[in-house]
Amino acid sequence: EAGVAQSPRYKIIEKRQSVAFWCNPISGHATLYWYQQILGQGPKLLIQFQNNGVVDDSQLPKDRFSAERLKGVDSTLKIQPAKLEDSAVYLCASSLDYQRGTDTQYFGPGTRLTVL
Amino acid sequence: AQSVTQLGSHVSVSEGALVLLRCNYSSSVPPYLFWYVQYPNQGLQLLLKYTTGATLVKGINGFEAEFKKSETSFHLTKPSAHMSDAAEYFCAVKGGGNKLTFGTGTQLKVEL
Repeated sequence: EAGVAQSPRYKIIEKRQSVAFWCNPISGHATLYWYQQILGQGPKLLIQFQNNGVVDDSQLPKDRFSAERLKGVDSTLKIQPAKLEDSAVYLCASSLDYQRGTDTQYFGPGTRLTVL
Repeated sequence: AQSVTQLGSHVSVSEGALVLLRCNYSSSVPPYLFWYVQYPNQGLQLLLKYTTGATLVKGINGFEAEFKKSETSFHLTKPSAHMSDAAEYFCAVKGGGNKLTFGTGTQLKVEL
């Protein structure tokens, strides 16, 4: 079974530029998550989707970050404009259905973003 | 609200020695607890999880963890460390909406 796919793996941009990350979850997984992992910290949830609807985006800096999952499968996370403090690894995860008690999240390899 | 504290940001052991990585949690409801491992430049891989039932949980690669409610702990152990165990380990607690709250991680170094 294929895992969670993410691209690109690495991205270097200048501050104030825009960037987009792509995620393809495990086939059949209804719930998709985007996490931000700053160096030396644990992952922090940015946004959670159930199919093509948003479940939780309380930690998403909406003035510069946006995310969508239009067809309920692939998802894109965008940052515009980027700031230095956005340098981090962006992890995508998916699970069968977050409403199931023992649901488990599976993570992709992440995209390492460096903002100069 | 849920939270996790991992004691020791760096742990070093000799190959063949016991591995003990500490995790304490805070939760207002019966917790679901997880340990994930992250190898360099890779995503997080699930090692093991506790939901209900048996408090001693066995995971992959010879790791296990014991849920102790009285101590609010979920420490990760492995009897004999191998060089391939060198990685960063994250403890996490599940809250509402399947939201995971992670600890700050423990970097495990295995020396010859």
